[in-house]
Amino acid sequence: DAKTTQPNSMESNEEEPVHLPCNHSTISGTDYIHWYRQLPSQGPEYVIHGLTSNVNNRMASLAIAEDRKSSTLILHRATLRDAAVYYCILRDQAGTALIFGKGTTLSVSS
Amino acid sequence: KAGVTQTPRYLIKTRGQQVTLSCSPISGHRSVSWYQQTPGQGLQFLFEYFSETQRNKGNFPGRFSGRQFSNSRSEMNVSTLELGDSALYLCASSSGRPSTDTQYFGPGTRLTVL
Repeated sequence: DAKTTQPNSMESNEEEPVHLPCNHSTISGTDYIHWYRQLPSQGPEYVIHGLTSNVNNRMASLAIAEDRKSSTLILHRATLRDAAVYYCILRDQAGTALIFGKGTTLSVSS
Repeated sequence: KAGVTQTPRYLIKTRGQQVTLSCSPISGHRSVSWYQQTPGQGLQFLFEYFSETQRNKGNFPGRFSGRQFSNSRSEMNVSTLELGDSALYLCASSSGRPSTDTQYFGPGTRLTVL
């Protein structure tokens, strides 16, 4: 599986937008970009995924660069509940496993 | 729909013993994956079962094994426990479609090896 690079940590204030970057320069044309997050003392939960086009759902938006070598997870208005570790994961066509990296620890202040 | 359930939630064992953890997936899901989470190594993929067959396997020793039953429930077994096996063991269920399916995680089983 191709590798991803994320900042170790980021900070945000409540009610402000948060942009979480992910670099994946070795991504192949058929790799999907997935984001999961893990809240304290819980199992990971799915956030969003995409292939080429930007994606939106009720939790977040995913902006994918035109060359697909990077992507950004956007939380439009951070809340205290969004404090978590966010993982950017690539899955290939046969990918049945999630290969987690270190992720980005997001802190949200009131 | 009920979520993924794991039993037991907490377990204490001693070195050399063996342990069996159980996972009940979301109804209708045919794939169950297992992950180990430790402070040092983070989240690591153990194996995935789909329709009672192991379809994918991570880089763990043979002491770690699993199985899946016809109702999709899954168990994982760790034999000859070592101190380093102390971890949170998470299972996730999904439809099993590669590349795009959403994996739903249970709360995990916290295993402590003394």
